Amino acid sequence: DSGVTQTPKHLITATGQRVTLRCSPRSGDLSVYWYQQSLDQGLQFLIQYYNGEERAKGNILERFSAQQFPDLHSELNLSSLELGDSALYFCASSVEGRPLHFGNGTRLTVT
Amino acid sequence: GEDVEQSLFLSVREGDSSVINCTYTDSSSTYLYWYKQEPGAGLQLLTYIFSNMDMKQDQRLTVLLNKKDKHLSLRIADTQTGDSAIYFCAESRGGADGLTFGKGTHLIIQP
Repeated sequence: DSGVTQTPKHLITATGQRVTLRCSPRSGDLSVYWYQQSLDQGLQFLIQYYNGEERAKGNILERFSAQQFPDLHSELNLSSLELGDSALYFCASSVEGRPLHFGNGTRLTVT
Repeated sequence: GEDVEQSLFLSVREGDSSVINCTYTDSSSTYLYWYKQEPGAGLQLLTYIFSNMDMKQDQRLTVLLNKKDKHLSLRIADTQTGDSAIYFCAESRGGADGLTFGKGTHLIIQP
């Protein structure tokens, strides 16, 4: 158990809808990262937050947004969903400069 | 080209050693990581090596780093059926950026 908790485990929704994925980092970790894993693109870094502030942006679409709250949990919001957004979404947390620890992911299916 | 490259598949007999290779392109990488992903699960941190090291051993796992050739390998001694998984190589450039992952190597164990 990595200590990183993601909910829900599975999500099925229709095109055009909006969903929110939730992540609780390991105790003491201030950094939260979001990754998307798909068969064709592999693991893609989306965005990082550190202690509530956005720190780095990767290949995150404009339809996607994230935030980190004062209690350090994070949410990834995906809107105007398309079939191609179907993927595994991982959250990871770390102490700065130390290895990332990943949650078990949320599997999103867009129909 | 890709920042981090790995072979897609490796097949070994149970009891033999497995060697999974990875090449990366960024000479400023500070840490290099190996993660394991079992079916339906998240990414488990296996081991990591700092860029000023050549080798790291941890029980059945040996990591070798050739910084000149930007080549990283993971050797698993006495490979067992439980080692069957996808192994991801990843690099970190330090600072705020997330990890850059390879596409993963599927390790297949033959009885």
